[in-house]
Amino acid sequence: EVQLVESGGGLVEPGGSLRLSCVASGFTFSSYEMNWVRQAPGKGLEWVSYTSSSGSTIYYADSVKGRFTISRDNAKNSLYLQMNSLRAEDTAVYYCARATGGSYRNDYWGQGTLVTVSS
Amino acid sequence: QSVLTQPPSVSAAPGQKVTISCSGRSSNIGSNYVSWYQQVPGTAPKLLIYDNNKRPSGLPDRFSGSKSGTSATLGITGLQTGDEADYYCGTWDSSLSAWVFGGGTKLTVL
Repeated sequence: EVQLVESGGGLVEPGGSLRLSCVASGFTFSSYEMNWVRQAPGKGLEWVSYTSSSGSTIYYADSVKGRFTISRDNAKNSLYLQMNSLRAEDTAVYYCARATGGSYRNDYWGQGTLVTVSS
Repeated sequence: QSVLTQPPSVSAAPGQKVTISCSGRSSNIGSNYVSWYQQVPGTAPKLLIYDNNKRPSGLPDRFSGSKSGTSATLGITGLQTGDEADYYCGTWDSSLSAWVFGGGTKLTVL
């Protein structure tokens, strides 16, 4: 069974940093592309960042470019999102999702982890 | 404002059919596959349709997808109260080098 489990969310002050983790199981993690997608309270889905299976190709949404860094450790079946210079508008539930390029689908999603940026 | 445009809400009676539209551009829907997601409030999104019109294993054929030009459509027949959820379309935008989603459509089964 495919499972994605996020952790690392919490309350942080504006300008602060946070590192999210996503541990994958039930599939060959190193063979799959991954996305981070967030959802602000009461709002829709917003794509945040993408990494290829090897980590050699990475993309970011303009809203987080220069502040967030996506990475992965295929030996640990783990995906990360380092978030710096956090703003109130970054408050959201952050989901990791298994992606399939070419098809451009996210076929499995984690349960999400809530990040709240507030003083 | 989302790159892909969806109606904010749709509604229909149990047993009826509903369609949800998703409008984009040549750089996204016009040149890439579209997927659809169902999200019950408080839970994670779930893949419903991929490659424009394919269903994941186990999903009932009440759900269907289609694409024409720069627009895509999700169809749901035999509506059930359990279908009440938010629905999102998504794809890749080749010009933006970004994954994009629609703003979401809230389905109410009256």
